[in-house]
Amino acid sequence: NAGVTQTPKFQVLKTGQSMTLQCAQDMNHEYMSWYRQDPGMGLRLIHYSVGAGITDQGEVPNGYNVSRSTTEDFPLRLLSAAPSQTSVYFCASNQRGQRGEQFFGPGTRLTVL
Amino acid sequence: EDQVTQSPEALRLQEGESSSLNCSYTVSGLRGLFWYRQDPGKGPEFLFTLYSAGEEKEKERLKATLTKKESFLHITAPKPEDSATYLCAVQPSGYSTLTFGKGTMLLVSP
Repeated sequence: NAGVTQTPKFQVLKTGQSMTLQCAQDMNHEYMSWYRQDPGMGLRLIHYSVGAGITDQGEVPNGYNVSRSTTEDFPLRLLSAAPSQTSVYFCASNQRGQRGEQFFGPGTRLTVL
Repeated sequence: EDQVTQSPEALRLQEGESSSLNCSYTVSGLRGLFWYRQDPGKGPEFLFTLYSAGEEKEKERLKATLTKKESFLHITAPKPEDSATYLCAVQPSGYSTLTFGKGTMLLVSP
């Protein structure tokens, strides 16, 4: 099993550009989440999904969109990148009923100029 | 508002020097408390789940304990490979999301 995979590993954007961060998991997990991690701020939840077709907002959803058309994939879209979105983004998945035991991907380091 | 506070922010130990990391939390009801390890440049890796006060979990040199207000991660005779950032997270009752602390960066010198 590859676990949770994320692409790209690194990305540089200009202010106003849009892009999609990809996340996939091969563990048949129902729950998937996107976090951002900033120095001194800890992990903050952006959006999450409890199954295909179902998504919900986390703590910091503004400027981001998600969709969940399959169990395996959970892409994160930046609509119009801003310097405040410079961060490291992690995707995670977990089984139903095991919300605390999340499997994290390797992360995407995003810089917005 | 649910809060998770970890201390210290950073800890430097000599190899073999045992110590403890603290995670204090404020939630209306606790469904679970979780510890993760994060190596530089990687995603967090799950370590332990604790559900109720008095519960303990062990894995190699690590032991996690839980009281009604805090959790401790005890590290016995640490080795350099234990160097990492340790994250604590809580799941409040009735919620499906986690609140993470900012982490404790542990450095173990040979």
